[in-house]
Amino acid sequence: QVRLQQSGPGLVKPSQTLSLTCAISGHSVSSNSAAWNWIRQSPSRGLEWLGRTYYRSEWLNDYAGSVKGRIIINADTSKNQFSLQLFSVTPEDTAVYYCARDTTIMGYFDSWGQGTLVTVSS
Amino acid sequence: DIQMTQSPSSVSASVGDRVTITCRASQDMNTWIGWYQQKPGKAPELLIYAASTLHTGVPSRFSGSGSGTDFTLTISSLQPEDFATYYCQQYNSYPFTFGPGTKVDIK
Repeated sequence: QVRLQQSGPGLVKPSQTLSLTCAISGHSVSSNSAAWNWIRQSPSRGLEWLGRTYYRSEWLNDYAGSVKGRIIINADTSKNQFSLQLFSVTPEDTAVYYCARDTTIMGYFDSWGQGTLVTVSS
Repeated sequence: DIQMTQSPSSVSASVGDRVTITCRASQDMNTWIGWYQQKPGKAPELLIYAASTLHTGVPSRFSGSGSGTDFTLTISSLQPEDFATYYCQQYNSYPFTFGPGTKVDIK
């Protein structure tokens, strides 16, 4: 059974980079049968899909337009984990961030991390 | 982006009640819709995908229906553990988007 364990700081200063990691157990990050996603939730924006990475002979990414240009999601196969970097954050990026697995690559999420509250404040 | 709406935004119900939640998409989604349950302080959990397919381990009192732009989630007989917030989600096109949620609380 897959388990997703998130880690990363809960406080980030404005204009800096938000970095979170999702460690996977029970499934390989480089599996051809999964995509690895980041989703956030805030009172003002609700649940918001940010993007995903997946391996199909090469690493591929899809990103939401709302964060495109300041987001990177990548995988570390040596540690079987994937990470989120969100650059130039503002207080509007304050949210609970979740990592999530999609085993069909279709776009729904069957396993989630525990969530990390990230506050953007000086 | 595809806009998802849900109604009602909240519903008060009793154990044993039948509860129906509606989700509407701004464009034709075929059946590329998922439903999630979220309890306070927890991550969402997948209940249904492809509009009507129950995810592994989900009780049969949950059911989904619909296609195109209109979808429903039904709980046939509400149980104490079902008091939660429910979200629909479309995965027909990028970016994947969620509805605003329907809170089911105790009458």
